[in-house]
Amino acid sequence: EDQVTQSPEALRLQEGESSSLNCSYTVSGLRGLFWYRQDPGKGPDFLFTLYSAGEEKEKERLKATLTKKESFLHITAPKPEDSATYLCAVRAYGGSQGNLIFGKGTKLSVKP
Amino acid sequence: ETGVTQSPTHLIKTRGQQVTLRCSSQSGHNTVSWYQQALGQGPQFIFQYYREEENGRGNFPPRFSGLQFPNYSSELNVNALELDDSALYLCASSLDREVQETQYFGPGTRLLVL
Repeated sequence: EDQVTQSPEALRLQEGESSSLNCSYTVSGLRGLFWYRQDPGKGPDFLFTLYSAGEEKEKERLKATLTKKESFLHITAPKPEDSATYLCAVRAYGGSQGNLIFGKGTKLSVKP
Repeated sequence: ETGVTQSPTHLIKTRGQQVTLRCSSQSGHNTVSWYQQALGQGPQFIFQYYREEENGRGNFPPRFSGLQFPNYSSELNVNALELDDSALYLCASSLDREVQETQYFGPGTRLLVL
């Protein structure tokens, strides 16, 4: 069964303290891995799409990387406004059309 | 460019009632997907519509149904509401149904079933 596991469930950082969020996936064949940011009570905002192992994408303080089994979201020198839940999702071969399989997310809190 | 919009923002219903949620896709997008997100969980795929046809369905019962209109807007209908249907319902649109296409989400509709 295709599944996505994110760790840790929650992460507290001080402003400027860099860290990484992990997304491990088990799929029959990966067609794409997606990172989203979700603020409380809002819909997810798109961050990155990764398609193949070794691929990296960057945006401001965020950098996403992909291996054959997992993806990391690296946060460099975070600010309080980076506080949110970060969701990882995959799309797999053989899955129902349009189906993004999501992890439960990592809730990030950045204290000033 | 207009993003994905959803209405209403909040809704309270009682068990057994029926509800209709609405979604307008992002300009230029022809594909709409619906997700259910329970508190503390990731979104779960309900179904996808492409050019007014259902194009894939997740593990949800038939009382969850949908429509897509010629302007690519969409509705999610839920009959015989149950308490466990309380959740944030998310609509996402994409440029096309191809699997590599990124899905962009709306703000969601918060449904509470009493």
